[in-house]
Amino acid sequence: QLQLVESGGGVVLPGRSLRVSCAASGSTFFSSYIMHWVRQAPGKGLEWVAVMSYDGSNTFYADSVKGRFTISRDNSQNTLYLQMNNVRPEDTAVYYCAGDASGNYYRLAYWGQGTLVTVSS
Amino acid sequence: QSALTQPPSVSGSPGQSVTISCTGTSSDIGFYNRVSWYQQAPGTAPKLMIYEVNYRPSGVPDRFSGSKSGNTASLTISGLQAEDEAHYYCSSYTRFSTVLFGGGTKLTVL
Repeated sequence: QLQLVESGGGVVLPGRSLRVSCAASGSTFFSSYIMHWVRQAPGKGLEWVAVMSYDGSNTFYADSVKGRFTISRDNSQNTLYLQMNNVRPEDTAVYYCAGDASGNYYRLAYWGQGTLVTVSS
Repeated sequence: QSALTQPPSVSGSPGQSVTISCTGTSSDIGFYNRVSWYQQAPGTAPKLMIYEVNYRPSGVPDRFSGSKSGNTASLTISGLQAEDEAHYYCSSYTRFSTVLFGGGTKLTVL
């Protein structure tokens, strides 16, 4: 079982940067998990943001964040990151990290409780 | 890419069956058998209910089943229970190596 805890959310000005983190525990093999970021704007549906392979060698992004957001991981610290640059009001959302050890990029079995990012002046 | 299309809401009485549809394109649902369904109760994180069209993770009741035909996937919940009331989201892997979610369907148990 993998437990995930997000942190780093808060209020950020448009055009500025913010980094959110996701700490994993409960499994000694965080490096076996493909990890995702998914966001949910207030009162809205889920939107997939990005995914990273076990070792960080492969990453894919949604068009809405490509070139602005960067997903990364530190397997020695069991932590996933999302660096958010040049943020926009439409980036306001709860950001969830999610992972899966099946080897597939499309199954999200474990989810954190999310961290709220508000982009506002 | 646009989100997958789901009905905004469905409802049913306890014991009945309901089906939620999820329509995509030949670049996502129609391209792979990689459709998943997630349940989200208010104020909680999503929970994986179905993966690869019709497989259930351990612990998910067999009242939940999935299917796919062409560019449309479906989730059927039989023997509806009050605890099933939640939002349901479909997702699909795409030919672009990305994941696409549906807009979500609110299930009301009458």
